[in-house]
Amino acid sequence: IAGITQAPTSQILAAGRRMTLRCTQDMRHNAMYWYRQDLGLGLRLIHYSNTAGTTGKGEVPDGYSVSRANTDDFPLTLASAVPSQTSVYFCASRADMNTEAFFGQGTRLTVV
Amino acid sequence: LAKTTQPISMDSYEGQEVNITCSHNNIATNDYITWYQQFPSQGPRFIIQGYKTKVTNEVASLFIPADRKSSTLSLPRVSLSDTAVYYCLVGRVNYGQNFVFGPGTRLSVLP
Repeated sequence: IAGITQAPTSQILAAGRRMTLRCTQDMRHNAMYWYRQDLGLGLRLIHYSNTAGTTGKGEVPDGYSVSRANTDDFPLTLASAVPSQTSVYFCASRADMNTEAFFGQGTRLTVV
Repeated sequence: LAKTTQPISMDSYEGQEVNITCSHNNIATNDYITWYQQFPSQGPRFIIQGYKTKVTNEVASLFIPADRKSSTLSLPRVSLSDTAVYYCLVGRVNYGQNFVFGPGTRLSVLP
């Protein structure tokens, strides 16, 4: 692994199902983030973690949960998916504030 | 967190210099200015960051006037591959819940 990796790359999910999007980084970055980007629109922050063991809510946290049990991993869970959660999800990490952020390749999620 | 305003879209032709200006009237003393670039179907990537005057790297230049109420990202001699969305972020604490992106500027480079 080099950098930040997301899995899966894409997923079609039935409404009502539970889904966890995975994000792993090997840069020992303190801060990690989850964003969603709807087609043709900007990025919206879902949840963040400033350091392992802490998490916080972003702009659009409803319907999503996260955990940060260690430095490397920051999974995003949809407890019961709804069609409005159809989007591309990006995970990002950065060493500290004012340092550059690195983004994963994205997970394209379609809820039907 | 300083609010930023930048044009929604811009068009340019290959070989031209492109300047994208970001307004941030309520920038704080310790705030940095950071630009990211996002290609279609990819996550954003860091381009450049500055505090005052001018910063240049292999990709772009960032011009910041003395009052720091605006900044200009300059892309020299753009090519078709520079077609992307460019985001301006301002803040010392671009951290936690403050690490948010505005709509950005959609740059289209035409042949």
